[in-house]
Amino acid sequence: DSGVTQTPKHLITATGQRVTLRCSPRSGDLSVYWYQQSLDQGLQFLIHYYNGEERAKGNILERFSAQQFPDLHSELNLSSLELGDSALYFCASSVGGQGSPLHFGNGTRLTVT
Amino acid sequence: GNSVTQMEGPVTLSEEAFLTINCTYTATGYPSLFWYVQYPGEGLQLLLKATKADDKGSNKGFEATYRKETTSFHLEKGSVQVSDSAVYFCAPNSGYALNFGKGTSLLVTP
Repeated sequence: DSGVTQTPKHLITATGQRVTLRCSPRSGDLSVYWYQQSLDQGLQFLIHYYNGEERAKGNILERFSAQQFPDLHSELNLSSLELGDSALYFCASSVGGQGSPLHFGNGTRLTVT
Repeated sequence: GNSVTQMEGPVTLSEEAFLTINCTYTATGYPSLFWYVQYPGEGLQLLLKATKADDKGSNKGFEATYRKETTSFHLEKGSVQVSDSAVYFCAPNSGYALNFGKGTSLLVTP
């Protein structure tokens, strides 16, 4: 058990809809990362927050947004969903700083129909 | 930013065979280097790490040595087991973003 909790585990929704994925980091971890994993693209970095502030952006679409709240949990919002957004979405946390390993949740599997 | 090159596989080996998965990276500065493993249906788990040149990380029979001169961090195991079947990711980390490649899929057959 990594200590990172992601909800929900599975999500099925229709094109054009909006969903929110939630992540609770390990106790004491200040950094939260979001990743998207699909068969053709592999594991793509989306965004990184540290103690409530955005620190880095990767290949995150404008339709996607995220935030980290004062209690350090994070939410990833996906809107105007398209079929191609179907993927596994992982959250990871770390204490922060170079050399700190990431601890991953088990992911949310999003299916857009 | 940082990036990695590793074979995608699938790599198929018989049980007790020797494993090498190559990883070369580009990075600014002097990153720490990591190998993560993803078992079916799970998130990634840290397998091993090395924080400076010539460091060797090891865990569960796996080893990798930080080679700064060749910017490589190849993963090795002397004798693989069926339970090692998974996807393996090499990742440098310096700064705020951690980029992963597509990983290398390993299948070990009895």
